[in-house]
Amino acid sequence: GESVGLHLPTLSVQEGDNSIINCAYSNSASDYFIWYKQESGKGPQFIIDIRSNMDKRQGQRVTVLLNKTVKHLSLQIAATQPGDSAVYFCAENKADNFNKFYFGSGTKLNVKP
Amino acid sequence: KAGVTQTPRYLIKTRGQQVTLSCSPISGHRSVSWYQQTPGQGLQFLFEYFSETQRNKGNFPGRFSGRQFSNSRSEMNVSTLELGDSALYLCASSLVGSDEQFFGPGTRLTVL
Repeated sequence: GESVGLHLPTLSVQEGDNSIINCAYSNSASDYFIWYKQESGKGPQFIIDIRSNMDKRQGQRVTVLLNKTVKHLSLQIAATQPGDSAVYFCAENKADNFNKFYFGSGTKLNVKP
Repeated sequence: KAGVTQTPRYLIKTRGQQVTLSCSPISGHRSVSWYQQTPGQGLQFLFEYFSETQRNKGNFPGRFSGRQFSNSRSEMNVSTLELGDSALYLCASSLVGSDEQFFGPGTRLTVL
């Protein structure tokens, strides 16, 4: 079955630095990926997505990189702020699976002032 | 526009009981998905409903069931509760043809 995992359970960065959160996926048939942010006591919040026909996608202060060769996904956060402290999940899906997403185990990002 | 709402927010039950959780999607959203979130297993897909029909199902036992009403509101039911069912149950809704899901705050279920 599909599996999505994260390399690091916890990441600590200094405020103002850039953060990189990594994710590995095992299903080469997955063609859609999303990064979510989950703050304490809240549900996951959509950050950015990318389809398998792209290698890179940029949003506001965030960039997602997709390397299909090694089945690796990363989320880069520029100028990390205290408000970025949260757990980040990657999720994968296949086009014919409607909204059946497989989530990674999550990385906790701690931003030190 | 109001977000996804889930009720109740917190629930305490004992083993063997059953529980029903409710989810109201964002207005206009017809797809509703349910997920279970635990520290050990992370976020796991339970099922998805669209137009009152279950469109997708995860790998959970038959004790977990759900339904969707004509107004797109959804309920999930867990019968014969086990200690391991203690989790945060999240509901997410999306528009037809959209992959973006909007999550509710979840229902925290504790089974004693």
